[in-house]
Amino acid sequence: EVQLVESGGGLVQPGGSLRLSCAASGFTFSGYAMSWVRQAPGKGLEWVSYISSSSSTIHYADSMRGRFTISRDNAKNSLYLQMNSLRAEDTAVYYCARGTYCSGGTCLLDYWGQGTLVTVSS
Amino acid sequence: DIVMTQSPDSLAVSLGERATINCKSSQSVLYNSNNKNYLAWYQQKPGQPPKLLIYWASTRESGVPDRFSGSGSGTDFTLTISSLQAEDVAVYYCQQYYSTPPGFGQGTKLEIK
Repeated sequence: EVQLVESGGGLVQPGGSLRLSCAASGFTFSGYAMSWVRQAPGKGLEWVSYISSSSSTIHYADSMRGRFTISRDNAKNSLYLQMNSLRAEDTAVYYCARGTYCSGGTCLLDYWGQGTLVTVSS
Repeated sequence: DIVMTQSPDSLAVSLGERATINCKSSQSVLYNSNNKNYLAWYQQKPGQPPKLLIYWASTRESGVPDRFSGSGSGTDFTLTISSLQAEDVAVYYCQQYYSTPPGFGQGTKLEIK
C-alpha cells in the first residue's frame, strides 16, 4: 500500500524557516517524481514544487522560487521542502504527492499524503 | 502558464440526480503525438487530501465508481456524476499536467439539494 506521511509543520514567525519531510513507503520511491502542493485555509490547491526521480530536474512555482528548496534522499525514501523567508501568505496545509505520467516537470499526482499544517504568524 | 477555470463554483444536486462540472483550460492540453489529453480530476472531502478520480480526461482510476465519468478534449472538459450519492459531497478540482506549472482549477463545491 502506497503511503506518504508528511511531518515538520508548525507555527513559525514571519521571516522564519521550516523544513518539511515526507516519508514514503509501499512503492519504489527512487522510481517516481514527487511534488509538493499546498492549500491555504478554505482555499484551493496550489502547486509548489517538483523534483524528478533522480533529482536532476527541479521546478518551483514563481512565488516560491528562491525561498523554497525541494530535495529528496532516495536511500531514505524521503522527500523534503526547506522553506525560508516565510510569509503569512505561506500559511497552508502542505501535501506531498507522487507523480506519474510526467511531462517536462509536470505530473499526474496519483497518491497524496494527509498533509502538514504550516502557520506563519507572529 | 495554462489557466484552468471551473464552472460552476458550487453546485447543489438532489440524491440520484446527475451532477455536471466543467473545466476549461486557457490552452489546449491535448498532446498530438499520443492523442492524450493531460487533464485530471480530483475529489477532496472535508479534512482529507485530494483523491485522484480521472486521468487522461476520461480514464477512471482503479476503484472509482463507474458513476463518475470524464469527457472532453483540447480545452473543454466535463466531470459527470451520473447518480449523486451522499458520499459524493466534496470539492472537485481539475488539473492539467501538460506543462509546468501544473495548474488546478479553483474547485467546485458539490452539495446535496
